[in-house]
Amino acid sequence: DQQVKQNSPSLSVQEGRISILNCDYTNSMFDYFLWYKKYPAEGPTFLISISSIKDKNEDGRFTVFLNKSAKHLSLHIVPSQPGDSAVYFCAASADRKLQFGAGTQVVVTP
Amino acid sequence: DVKVTQSSRYLVKRTGEKVFLECVQDMDHENMFWYRQDPGLGLRLIYFSYDVKMKEKGDIPEGYSVSREKKERFSLILESASTNQTSMYLCASSFSGPKSSPLHFGNGTRLTVT
Repeated sequence: DQQVKQNSPSLSVQEGRISILNCDYTNSMFDYFLWYKKYPAEGPTFLISISSIKDKNEDGRFTVFLNKSAKHLSLHIVPSQPGDSAVYFCAASADRKLQFGAGTQVVVTP
Repeated sequence: DVKVTQSSRYLVKRTGEKVFLECVQDMDHENMFWYRQDPGLGLRLIYFSYDVKMKEKGDIPEGYSVSREKKERFSLILESASTNQTSMYLCASSFSGPKSSPLHFGNGTRLTVT
């Protein structure tokens, strides 16, 4: 049973607008959360992370929000750019292993 | 920059064959991981290793084994390949746990079992 769920397999957004990617988890032991980005024919690369003691972490155009009571996190990309078109994976950790979601394909249109 | 190299980009094997997937990292990382990526399922952990000659099962170890004889090299072995092992296989490494050291992935091996 998947403990990390990304219920939207795809997202289309106009260039310059905000992209919002959502992720839900079921394991209350998870205490660290990450987002990875994957281009075709490449491995995933680390994007941004957040500890469970925080509710927000920002890095340039990328912001991750964590709502522990709802077991929900989201990634905001503002403004979206064509180079952001990729698959985004949410991941969570309770120890040294990572559990990944199924991914969300983001397409940024001109 | 960390480099994780997977020896093959594409592999086609027959059912019942023994298959070796090789992964090498060049940053002296302690931890190495094998994942498979399938549509709708994301990345699932097969095996991982925290040290030479050490291995632990991930979430889906059935039908797989691993070998880590040297720190920089982590091999995934399919003892008798089956069609349900057709997938994208991703190797990753990290210096320490995910809270202080993100995973670095290779570019993947697309395995087709016919």
